[in-house]
Amino acid sequence: DAKTTQPPSMDCAEGRAANLPCNHSTISGNEYVYWYRQIHSQGPQYIIHGLKNNETNEMASLIITEDRKSSTLILPHATLRDTAVYYCIGGSGDKLTFGTGTRLAVRP
Amino acid sequence: DTAVSQTPKYLVTQMGNDKSIKCEQNLGHDTMYWYKQDSKKFLKIMFSYNNKELIINETVPNRFSPKSPDKAHLNLHINSLELGDSAVYFCASSQSGQGNYGYTFGSGTRLTVV
Repeated sequence: DAKTTQPPSMDCAEGRAANLPCNHSTISGNEYVYWYRQIHSQGPQYIIHGLKNNETNEMASLIITEDRKSSTLILPHATLRDTAVYYCIGGSGDKLTFGTGTRLAVRP
Repeated sequence: DTAVSQTPKYLVTQMGNDKSIKCEQNLGHDTMYWYKQDSKKFLKIMFSYNNKELIINETVPNRFSPKSPDKAHLNLHINSLELGDSAVYFCASSQSGQGNYGYTFGSGTRLTVV
């Protein structure tokens, strides 16, 4: 699995976009970028994943750079319920290796 | 209906005891996992089963023995419990294949060994 680097913590104001960066410079051509989050000791929750193209679903958008060495998860209108630890994972999907993630605090 | 359910949710036991945690998924997935999250919040994979066959065993002490009676169930039995086994254990499932749509995790079993 690719090694990923994320800032340990971030914050944003409620209602604003939260942009969470991730570096994965060692990702190989067939490895996906996955994003999960964990809200206060609940089970991790899948958010989105992508290979090369940008992706969007009902939860978030994923922007992957053309060289695939980094990506950004965008929560377009953050709410207090989005306060969580966000994990960026590079891999093929057969084994997810979680790092330390980014602790996002959404403030009122 | 809960997609991935674990029982029990909380488990407090004494050192040296043997205990089991059960996991069931109703998503029709063919792969199931056990993860351990310690007090520092690191999530580490322990085991992975695909269609009842052990795929991943990540240097876990042999006191931990997973059992998969069918592809919808993956149980974890722990012998001779130690203080260091205290953690939250998460079960997860997924459908194998490149770029699958992610894992679904259960809500966790908080194990406390005293």
